[in-house]
Amino acid sequence: GAVVSQHPSWVICKSGTSVKIECRSLDFQATTMFWYRQFPKQSLMLMATSNEGSKATYEQGVEKDKFLINHASLTLSTLTVTSAHPEDSSFYICSARPQEGNSPLHFGNGTRLTVT
Amino acid sequence: SQQGEEDPQALSIQEGENATMNCSYKTSINNLQWYRQNSGRGLVHLILIRSNEREKHSGRLRVTLDTSKKSSSLLITASRAADTASYFCATVYTGGFKTIFGAGTRLFVKA
Repeated sequence: GAVVSQHPSWVICKSGTSVKIECRSLDFQATTMFWYRQFPKQSLMLMATSNEGSKATYEQGVEKDKFLINHASLTLSTLTVTSAHPEDSSFYICSARPQEGNSPLHFGNGTRLTVT
Repeated sequence: SQQGEEDPQALSIQEGENATMNCSYKTSINNLQWYRQNSGRGLVHLILIRSNEREKHSGRLRVTLDTSKKSSSLLITASRAADTASYFCATVYTGGFKTIFGAGTRLFVKA
């Protein structure tokens, strides 16, 4: 149980285009989801907290107009990278908690974004 | 920085040996978690230790927590080639809900 599905697993796009990444909780409801970014051989950096029915909370230094987050239902959050540039190329991972409180996170399998 | 520190950054051992990874963090925590990541994949939760616990076991995993030193260690006993992965500690700070990850240790177990 407690599966988080992320799609697509990889995407290649041209500079200037936008890319949407979906994160779904398949067997539980998630009022909050977390989006992380990971560069090669580095750790996960929290980008933003996605809140169902309200605005996302962005971490310092993350451009909210660049990384649009929508959490329209209890099982779906989307991250849209707008006007992508090569420096946006990275591994993006979403996560959610099946249980309230500070319980462990369940992660999607990540999306490898390459901007050419 | 959001992150705590982990050491070593990389560890290469023979199958059957034990692997120890260390993690330090910055402020008081609710709990500390360890995750594993295979290359190019999402993370899988391994074990959670609460701030009032000192040691926890799960199969071949042993985690210790020293809140006075703000540090934790993960011991994998009798390692296997399949244990090759990156291991991250993660903390939820007191009063918070965000999970912040350490820098990670890349473990390579040679068959």
